[in-house]
Amino acid sequence: QQQVKQSPQSLIVQKGGISIINCAYENTAFDYFPWYQQFPGKGPALLIAIRPDVSEKKEGRFTISFNKSAKQFSLHIMDSQPGDSATYFCAASILGGSYIPTFGRGTSLIVHP
Amino acid sequence: DTAVSQTPKYLVTQMGNDKSIKCEQNLGHDTMYWYKQDSKKFLKIMFSYNNKELIINETVPNRFSPKSPDKAHLNLHINSLELGDSAVYFCASSGLSGLSGNTIYFGEGSWLTVV
Repeated sequence: QQQVKQSPQSLIVQKGGISIINCAYENTAFDYFPWYQQFPGKGPALLIAIRPDVSEKKEGRFTISFNKSAKQFSLHIMDSQPGDSATYFCAASILGGSYIPTFGRGTSLIVHP
Repeated sequence: DTAVSQTPKYLVTQMGNDKSIKCEQNLGHDTMYWYKQDSKKFLKIMFSYNNKELIINETVPNRFSPKSPDKAHLNLHINSLELGDSAVYFCASSGLSGLSGNTIYFGEGSWLTVV
């Protein structure tokens, strides 16, 4: 059972455009939603994360939007740059327990110059 | 200093061979993991260790055996390698006593190719 569904699988955006990656979860116990960024040849690394007590979190050009009632969250990359080209993974977890984060299947983002 | 380091980075071997991938973390974390990433980039957890004890063992062939000599090390041994084992294997760790919610720190991966 896939507990975190991520879309699209791949995304091509022009430089300066907005990249949007969506995730949906099923387990209402999830209360921590990180996004990881993976460059070719590297391991994934934490990019930004959100708790469900806020609807949005922004760090630079990266914003997470969170809709608790719809059980959905999304990553928005404003003014996308070629250097943002990477694979992005959403994840969901439960704080304070023994739950290993569940990852989405990843989105391969290509930003054309 | 590399937080999670794994060796070798590249490994090409023949079917039927036995190989090992070593992993060390210098973050003082209690929990370590092995993930497998296939050609479609899907990250699948294989094992999780907390303070040297196996916590999670997902559906993985018993040809794969993790070994944790101490909480800073988690090695992966693979016996009788098969073509389908070709993938990137990531070691990772997370901090404090709880497994959940903490940032997972990944190594740079070990590219295994079985020919």
